[in-house]
Amino acid sequence: GAVVSQHPSRVICKSGTSVKIECRSLDFQATTMFWYRQFPKQSLMLMATSNEGSKATYEQGVEKDKFLINHASLTLSTLTVTSAHPEDSSFYICSAGTRQYNEQFFGPGTRLTVL
Amino acid sequence: AQSVTQLGSHVSVSEGALVLLRCNYSSSVPPYLFWYVQYPNQGLQLLLKYTTGATLVKGINGFEAEFKKSETSFHLTKPSAHMSDAAEYFCAVNPDANNLFFGTGTRLTVIP
Repeated sequence: GAVVSQHPSRVICKSGTSVKIECRSLDFQATTMFWYRQFPKQSLMLMATSNEGSKATYEQGVEKDKFLINHASLTLSTLTVTSAHPEDSSFYICSAGTRQYNEQFFGPGTRLTVL
Repeated sequence: AQSVTQLGSHVSVSEGALVLLRCNYSSSVPPYLFWYVQYPNQGLQLLLKYTTGATLVKGINGFEAEFKKSETSFHLTKPSAHMSDAAEYFCAVNPDANNLFFGTGTRLTVIP
């Protein structure tokens, strides 16, 4: 149980375009979803936390208008990278949490490359 | 405040040797502690976690970790390294379900 999926696993886009990444909890209802960014050979950096039906809480330094997060249901959250630039290229990982388990379950990640 | 320190960004061991990855934490509340493993271009996989109870926690793939409150440590060990253990390992502390603080990670290399 407690499986989290991400789609797509890998995406390449042109500079200036927008990219949407989906995060789904497959077999449980996630009260909270988290979005992380990971640069090569570095740890995970929390970008934002979202609760179903409410606005996401962004970490300091993360641009809200650039990284749009929607948590429309208890099983789906999306991250949209708007007007992507090469510096947005990174590995994006989502996780889902639930009050039933005091831990987060991680998705497999999405590799974004902006040309 | 919570934080995690992983000593050694890179650890190399010979195949069959003991694996020891160090993790120290600070937490203002009783912590939940986690070790995750990340293989290249993949997400994080939970190895083991400590919540309450027995301080020696056994996880998957032969790994175990011991919670030592007096030392504020949660070191990860495996008696005999296997080539497939080569990966990045992250220690994390989670005072509640909404906050997970990661260490900077330790890359484990296994030498044949």
